[in-house]
This record gives sequence, C-alpha cells and structure tokens, in this order.
Amino acid sequence: NAGVTQTPKFQVLKTGQSMTLQCAQDMNHEYMSWYRQDPGMGLRLIHYSVGAGITDQGEVPNGYNVSRSTTEDFPLRLLSAAPSQTSVYFCASSYKGQGAGGYTFGSGTRLTVV
Amino acid sequence: GDSVTQMEGPVTLSEEAFLTINCTYTATGYPSLFWYVQYPGEGLQLLLKATKADDKGSNKGFEATYRKETTSFHLEKGSVQVSDSAVYFCALRGTGGFKTIFGAGTRLFVKA
Repeated sequence: NAGVTQTPKFQVLKTGQSMTLQCAQDMNHEYMSWYRQDPGMGLRLIHYSVGAGITDQGEVPNGYNVSRSTTEDFPLRLLSAAPSQTSVYFCASSYKGQGAGGYTFGSGTRLTVV
Repeated sequence: GDSVTQMEGPVTLSEEAFLTINCTYTATGYPSLFWYVQYPGEGLQLLLKATKADDKGSNKGFEATYRKETTSFHLEKGSVQVSDSAVYFCALRGTGGFKTIFGAGTRLFVKA
C-alpha cells in the first residue's frame, strides 16, 4: 500500500501566489486532516474531513481552503500565500471513531513563501 | 477545550539509559491517547496508543499507561539506543472521535 501520498515535497512561492497541496490515501480512511508544523509549536490542525463532501475548520484555518470530493483525495489550497504560511504541512488519515486507532501521516510538504 | 502538555526538550541521554517523557492532558470524557515519533525529514509515525483508563500501550520497547486519575500518559523505555533519537509527540483524540490534538513535541538525543 502506498499509504498517504503528499505532493509536492518542496515548494517555494512568492507572496500572493496561490497553490494546491495534494494529498491522497489508498486505505479507505474516512477521516483526513491537514496540519502545519512550526518549530516549538507542535502540529496545529488546519482543516479536517470526516468523509466525502464534509469538511470543517481546525485551529488555524485562515488563508486555506479544502474540499473532499472523493474518499481518497483531500487537497489543501493556499489562496494568496503569505510569509506566515512558511511551514511544513502534513496530511494524515485514519478510520473514524473513538477506538479507530491513530493516524497515518504523509511525508510532508515543506513550503517557503518569499 | 482539549489540550496536551508534554515536557520541554531537548532530552539528552546516554545509550542504555532509562527514558521518561512526561505527558498530561485536559479533555472531557474519555479520549484516546497516542504517542507518535518523528525521525528527521520524515512524517510522524504512530508509536503506541491506549483507548481507555489503565490501558498500557507498548511498541519497540516503549510503554505508556493511560492514567485517568492523574490525566497522564508518560512515555518510558528501559534502555534507549542511538536509533531512538527523534522527536516524540503526545496526542489525544477526543470523545467525539474527530479531532486529534498534539503536544509541542520533545526532542530526544541519545549519545553513544
């Protein structure tokens, strides 16, 4: 199994540009999330989805959009990149529910906004 | 809201030393608790989990026990190796089963 696949691995954007970070999973997981990781701050939840067609905001949603048209894919869109969005972005998926176990993470996208 | 607090690092140990990384949580109801490990340049990997009070999660020599009375889930290993050098994250998934909240992470260095 491929697990969770994120593309691209690295990206440099200019302030104001837009882009989409791709995330795909092949485990038929209902639940998918996007996190950003910044030094000393752990992982902060951006958006999450509990199934196709259902998304909701996490702790730090401003400046980001998501959609979930299929179970497999959960892209994250940066609408107008800002230097504050320089970070490492992780997509994660899991089965839904209290006893469902932990996440499977992608390998991350390192984004730099200049 | 739910939160996770873990000890600040870095933690530096010699090989074969005993490891403890403290983690406490605040949550309503009965969350599931997790430890994840992140090696340099990689994503997080699930290390172990516990889903109810007094459960002990274990994997690769690491252990953690879900203590509801002290709201803690401390990570322990009896004898660390250089290969255990990584960042360790404590996390909880709330009673609703949706969101997972992470601690800030604790970096571990193990010297040969």
